[in-house]
Amino acid sequence: DAGVIQSPRHEVTEMGQEVTLRCKPISGHDYLFWYRQTMMRGLELLIYFNNNVPIDDSGMPEDRFSAKMPNASFSTLKIQPSEPRDSAVYFCASSYRGFNEKLFFGSGTQLSVL
Amino acid sequence: GDSVTQMEGPVTLSEEAFLTINCTYTATGYPSLFWYVQYPGEGLQLLLKATKADDKGSNKGFEATYRKETTSFHLEKGSVQVSDSAVYFCALSIMNRDDKIIFGKGTRLHILP
Repeated sequence: DAGVIQSPRHEVTEMGQEVTLRCKPISGHDYLFWYRQTMMRGLELLIYFNNNVPIDDSGMPEDRFSAKMPNASFSTLKIQPSEPRDSAVYFCASSYRGFNEKLFFGSGTQLSVL
Repeated sequence: GDSVTQMEGPVTLSEEAFLTINCTYTATGYPSLFWYVQYPGEGLQLLLKATKADDKGSNKGFEATYRKETTSFHLEKGSVQVSDSAVYFCALSIMNRDDKIIFGKGTRLHILP
């Protein structure tokens, strides 16, 4: 299996622009997670899905952030409008049975908002 | 609330030195404990896990024992290599209605040749 695939690897954009991050989980995994990593805050869970349904989005910073999972093989995280403080590495992860099982992480998207 | 505390880095060691990275936790219920490793430019990978008290997780020469009495899950390796340079995250999860995994802030490890 190719693992969790994220795109793009790097994104540089200007403040106010819309940013869309993409994730393809491992086939057969029922759970998908979006994390954000910064030096100041470490790893933060933004949202997670079970069987394509959002379960907990309490970590989403504000209304500028939205996430969708239209099918079992694809998810997006959108930031509109983007701000410099959104600069971070965004990881997507998937697992077979949730948090108590091994999480498989993608390589991340390095986002820089100028 | 539930939390994970791990030693701050960076930790710098010479090759073949003994490694300990401390991790303690606070949790209600019976957590599972994990160590994840993040190599430069990559996502996190599960290194080892333990699901109940006195369990020992091990992988790639790393070990950690689930100590309920001291609420600890320290990571150890007898002889580190340059390739072990990475960031190490201790984590816990508890299966309940609000189940989630809680990560520590990570400890950066530098191994000098």
